[in-house]
Amino acid sequence: AQTVTQSQPEMSVQEAETVTLSCTYDTSESNYYLFWYKQPPSRQMILVIRQEAYKQQNATENRFSVNFQKAAKSFSLKISDSQLGDTAMYFCAFRETSGSRLTFGEGTQLTVNP
Amino acid sequence: DGGITQSPKYLFRKEGQNVTLSCEQNLNHDAMYWYRQDPGQGLRLIYYSQIVNDFQKGDIAEGYSVSREKKESFPLTVTSAQKNPTAFYLCASTPGTGGSTNEKLFFGSGTQLSVL
Repeated sequence: AQTVTQSQPEMSVQEAETVTLSCTYDTSESNYYLFWYKQPPSRQMILVIRQEAYKQQNATENRFSVNFQKAAKSFSLKISDSQLGDTAMYFCAFRETSGSRLTFGEGTQLTVNP
Repeated sequence: DGGITQSPKYLFRKEGQNVTLSCEQNLNHDAMYWYRQDPGQGLRLIYYSQIVNDFQKGDIAEGYSVSREKKESFPLTVTSAQKNPTAFYLCASTPGTGGSTNEKLFFGSGTQLSVL
């Protein structure tokens, strides 16, 4: 079974600074998909960014980018120019190419301080 | 607007009682999922369904049951066998059933279940 590990239960950053959230995963598959989801205090799950394992280029979405290291099975999320609205729980998630189910990590609570 | 509707937002269960959480989607999605979230923890998969009249157990199916009689509906019943039901329950859907796609999950707004 696939596992997803987020080793940082909590992190904080000053507004306008950059922060990186870590995620590692374990799989024997060669192709798969990785996701970062954000869950603000409203508890609504919001997709932040996604990466396909066969693509070597790291995905970017405005202020959000990933550092995907396939050999190391690492998928970190970098948030640039942090904003107060980025305060949320962030979940890393994994999905096999052949499957439909998503496996989540335990989450990292990010607090952006003014 | 298309989306996923979960109801109720808050639900209370008495000892020995079965309760049913509703999940309806008007996105015409094939696959639907139920996740459980405990405080400070990630989402764990309870059940999922890729097609009408078919569903599979997830990682923590014990004490739960589901049905998928209609494409748009995937209700979750928390039975009395579930001894620790207090949690936040999220329903989700995807357009297809897997394959070579990076489809994202569309989530409902969740139901908080508590035990009286």
